[in-house]
Amino acid sequence: TQLLEQSPQFLSIQEGENLTVYCNSSSVFSSLQWYRQEPGEGPVLLVTVVTGGEVKKLKRLTFQFGDARKDSSLHITAAQPGDTGLYLCAGASFGNEKLTFGTGTRLTIIP
Amino acid sequence: DTGVSQDPRHKITKRGQNVTFRCDPISEHNRLYWYRQTLGQGPEFLTYFQNEAQLEKSRLLSDRFSAERPKGSFSTLEIQRTEQGDSAMYLCASSPVIQSPLHFGNGTRLTVT
Repeated sequence: TQLLEQSPQFLSIQEGENLTVYCNSSSVFSSLQWYRQEPGEGPVLLVTVVTGGEVKKLKRLTFQFGDARKDSSLHITAAQPGDTGLYLCAGASFGNEKLTFGTGTRLTIIP
Repeated sequence: DTGVSQDPRHKITKRGQNVTFRCDPISEHNRLYWYRQTLGQGPEFLTYFQNEAQLEKSRLLSDRFSAERPKGSFSTLEIQRTEQGDSAMYLCASSPVIQSPLHFGNGTRLTVT
């Protein structure tokens, strides 16, 4: 069974601070996706990273795929209350249809 | 693009009852997935369809669970003889091609009392 461990599990910081969320596995993935989920809603895709070492930026969010394609990180600069939510990484394996989701990081930004 | 629609949004049932959930995917998406999510955790894969064919089922999907997608459009997930451990959010997602991002519905929250 492929496992994606996210850390930290919970994070509560002040508005304006920076933070990094990690997603780690012992398995190699063909691609990795990050989603954000708000209470009562389904996850919504933020980004997909495909190439080992790839870095993608989405406004204040920076996503990196590890060189070995086993891990990823999400860095948020100058966090805002609107960033509050459950952040999920999800890995796709070569030739496999299903996505395996991580354990999630619940982020709370305090105004 | 009207998005993925799930019905009902909430379901409260007594232990031992049967329940059925419906998912309407994005119309041009031929892949449909069911996931289960407990509070604060990531979604766990249950099963997926390519058109009307159910191609993979998780070991989480016991004999009490059955999913169908009879015409390759909407899908239903039935849970027979519900147990308290079945309480969770049941999420449906669709995608157009293999390993493309998933478009999720807002889920059906099941509470078994």
